[in-house]
Amino acid sequence: AQKVTQAQTEISVVEKEDVTLDCVYETRDTTYYLFWYKQPPSGELVFLIRRNSFDEQNEISGRYSWNFQKSTSSFNFTITASQVVDSAVYFCALSEREYAGNMLTFGGGTRLMVKP
Amino acid sequence: EAGVAQSPRYKIIEKRQSVAFWCNPISGHATLYWYQQILGQGPKLLIQFQNNGVVDDSQLPKDRFSAERLKGVDSTLKIQPAKLEDSAVYLCASSLGAFGGTDTQYFGPGTRLTVL
Repeated sequence: AQKVTQAQTEISVVEKEDVTLDCVYETRDTTYYLFWYKQPPSGELVFLIRRNSFDEQNEISGRYSWNFQKSTSSFNFTITASQVVDSAVYFCALSEREYAGNMLTFGGGTRLMVKP
Repeated sequence: EAGVAQSPRYKIIEKRQSVAFWCNPISGHATLYWYQQILGQGPKLLIQFQNNGVVDDSQLPKDRFSAERLKGVDSTLKIQPAKLEDSAVYLCASSLGAFGGTDTQYFGPGTRLTVL
């Protein structure tokens, strides 16, 4: 069965520091998709990125970057020069091609607090 | 483009009462999902609809939870009777409708339910 683990439950940094959120996943499927979502205090889950299992190229979007390593089953998320507005709970999630639907299996989330 | 709409945003009820939540997906999205998010955890899928048919309801507690998506657009999730452990945020999401894990889900603001 699929599983997503976010070992860091809470991280606190000072503004402008870089921070990396870890995500480790388990799946038996050879084709799968990994996601990161941000949940600010308002509660809505905001989509950040989707990565296919056959594309291990790292991605950068502004201050955000993602490192996908199939060999270690990890999909880590780095925020460079963090800002107070980055404070939120971040979720890593997995969906599998073999599954008929599109169920997302979420990790437990990492609460990031960025202090001014 | 309007996002996923949900109402009410907050609901407080006594145990054994019934409650209903409403969701309106993004226009043109064929697939609709209901997730339950207990405090401090990642969301868990309750049910997935493709148009007005059910794709997966394996994790829906059918003795007390029911959901429908008449006409393949809006959806209603009902709990009857509610238990204390149903206290959670109920998130609705929608996606275009591709299968095989490729779809990106977009979430609404959620309904926070408190059962006393």
